Amino acid sequence: GQQVMQIPQYQHVQEGEDFTTYCNSSTTLSNIQWYKQRPGGHPVFLIQLVKSGEVKKQKRLTFQFGEAKKNSSLHITATQTTDVGTYFCAGRKDSGNTPLVFGKGTRLSVIA
Amino acid sequence: GAVVSQHPSWVICKSGTSVKIECRSLDFQATTMFWYRQFPKQSLMLMATSNEGSKATYEQGVEKDKFLINHASLTLSTLTVTSAHPEDSSFYICSARHTSGSYEQYFGPGTRLTVT
Repeated sequence: GQQVMQIPQYQHVQEGEDFTTYCNSSTTLSNIQWYKQRPGGHPVFLIQLVKSGEVKKQKRLTFQFGEAKKNSSLHITATQTTDVGTYFCAGRKDSGNTPLVFGKGTRLSVIA
Repeated sequence: GAVVSQHPSWVICKSGTSVKIECRSLDFQATTMFWYRQFPKQSLMLMATSNEGSKATYEQGVEKDKFLINHASLTLSTLTVTSAHPEDSSFYICSARHTSGSYEQYFGPGTRLTVT
């Protein structure tokens, strides 16, 4: 079945350093979504990417969708302690009602 | 907008009993709701897809007779863990997808189930 791999599993950074998490799918995706889950919380939707090669920015966060629509990345510039949490990518292989398949997530720790 | 609630937020039950978890979309209609299970420090594992008015679609390896899902209305889906065992202890999270066609999924706050 469809698999979504995400690396790294953990990342510890000093406040102010950049951070990137990568997501790869075993199949071509219709769209990919990114979620953030704070410790003890539930996943919160960040963004959806649909187009091949799409790049979207949200303040210090930059999201990319690969040309082949099989990989994606989330880059955070100048991390802050508020960025702490686990970032999940989730992909859907078609535009219908199929469920999202989540990656294992990357847990980000930011040291002040 | 787009708020999803879950009840209860946590529950402790004895082995062999059944537990019902409710998932409600508070300010929108959701034809589709999803039930996930998350173990500590793990990713979300999809258990089943619930469509209003029809039978749920279960993922491979999820026992449909053990995890009963009912999606009786556009704002409510329930998950009943029957004859719970300690290994069923987990964090159960539902999400709902808006009928408007947006593919964004809104997650509930989760239910922490502990089976003793």
